[in-house]
Amino acid sequence: QKEVEQNSGPLSVPEGAIASLNCTYSDRGSQSFFWYRQYSGKSPELIMSIYSNGDKEDGRFTAQLNKASQYVSLLIRDSQPSDSATYLCAVMGYTGGFKTIFGAGTRLFVKA
Amino acid sequence: EPEVTQTPSHQVTQMGQEVILRCVPISNHLYFYWYRQILGQKVEFLVSFYNNEISEKSEIFDDQFSVERPDGSNFTLKIRSTKLEDSAMYFCASSEFIGAGYEQYFGPGTRLTVT
Repeated sequence: QKEVEQNSGPLSVPEGAIASLNCTYSDRGSQSFFWYRQYSGKSPELIMSIYSNGDKEDGRFTAQLNKASQYVSLLIRDSQPSDSATYLCAVMGYTGGFKTIFGAGTRLFVKA
Repeated sequence: EPEVTQTPSHQVTQMGQEVILRCVPISNHLYFYWYRQILGQKVEFLVSFYNNEISEKSEIFDDQFSVERPDGSNFTLKIRSTKLEDSAMYFCASSEFIGAGYEQYFGPGTRLTVT
């Protein structure tokens, strides 16, 4: 059974701080890694995608991928109260067909 | 900005009834997906669809489920005989293609309530 694991949180950070969200996955053959943000009662909104080892930056967000350790992370710099949401890690692998597995998500609270 | 749309936003049905959930994927996308999220639980993959065929499906996607692209724009999920445990948010998503480098964009979802 392929798994994607996240700390459920809640993770609480003060406004302006860096929030660090982590994800591990079990399938070594995974190819694509995504971070989605989900507000309560809403659909997942794509924040970042990453496909190769290393860091990828987009504005206040940095995704980090380490395939050897099967680890993906998301850093949010200068956290804002509007960043308060559940962050979902999603991993796509191929085993005869492509399938995307989601983690259960980490709830983030940014305190003003 | 192009987006995935879904109708209806909320569907209430009685156990045993058939429901059809509708989606309009982003126009230049070729791969379409259905996911579900039971309240308080994780997003679960149901099925992917390409070139008028199911590309991949999960163990959840059993004989009561079917998908169809009835015309050039709509993509539907049919649940033949709904059960109480089918109550969930159903999300449609689409991507240009599939594999590394292709991102999936989600619609707003349909909340299905089975009574």
